[in-house]
Amino acid sequence: TQLLEQSPQFLSIQEGENLTVYCNSSSVFSSLQWYRQEPGEGPVLLVTVVTGGEVKKLKRLTFQFGDARKDSSLHITAAQPGDTGLYLCAGGGYGGSQGNLIFGKGTKLSVKP
Amino acid sequence: EPEVTQTPSHQVTQMGQEVILRCVPISNHLYFYWYRQILGQKVEFLVSFYNNEISEKSEIFDDQFSVERPDGSNFTLKIRSTKLEDSAMYFCASSVDGYTGELFFGEGSRLTVL
Repeated sequence: TQLLEQSPQFLSIQEGENLTVYCNSSSVFSSLQWYRQEPGEGPVLLVTVVTGGEVKKLKRLTFQFGDARKDSSLHITAAQPGDTGLYLCAGGGYGGSQGNLIFGKGTKLSVKP
Repeated sequence: EPEVTQTPSHQVTQMGQEVILRCVPISNHLYFYWYRQILGQKVEFLVSFYNNEISEKSEIFDDQFSVERPDGSNFTLKIRSTKLEDSAMYFCASSVDGYTGELFFGEGSRLTVL
């Protein structure tokens, strides 16, 4: 059974600090996605990483896919209160299809002004 | 910006009743999904649907559940004989293809079974 473990589970920091959250698995994934979820809403796609070692940047967010494609990290530089939310990593695929995602439990980030 | 829309946003039902949750996927998307999230737990895959048939389903998606696309736009999830443990947020999602995990999720339908 493929599992994605995210750490830390909770993170509370001050505005302006940097942070990194991790997504780890013992399984190889052909791709991993990072989503952000607000309370009472659906996950919103942030990025997809496909190639081992790949690094993608989205403004202050930097996503990395591990060389072995078993892990990924999300680094936020100079966090802002607007970054507060639940960050989920997800990988395909249940039954072999990339769209049938396995989600981690998420990292709940709180950025205080 | 195109979005996945879901109705109702919240449904309260008595145990044993049937509920139908509705979704309108993004118009040029070909793959459709239902996921659920029990309060405080992971988002879990239920079923994927392509070309008017189920392409994959999880262990959760047993005979109590069914999906259909009755009119080419709506994509529905029917839950028969609801149980207390069916209380959850149900998310519909769609994607252009089934080769990436780039899903677009709706805002969810919260089901409360009393």
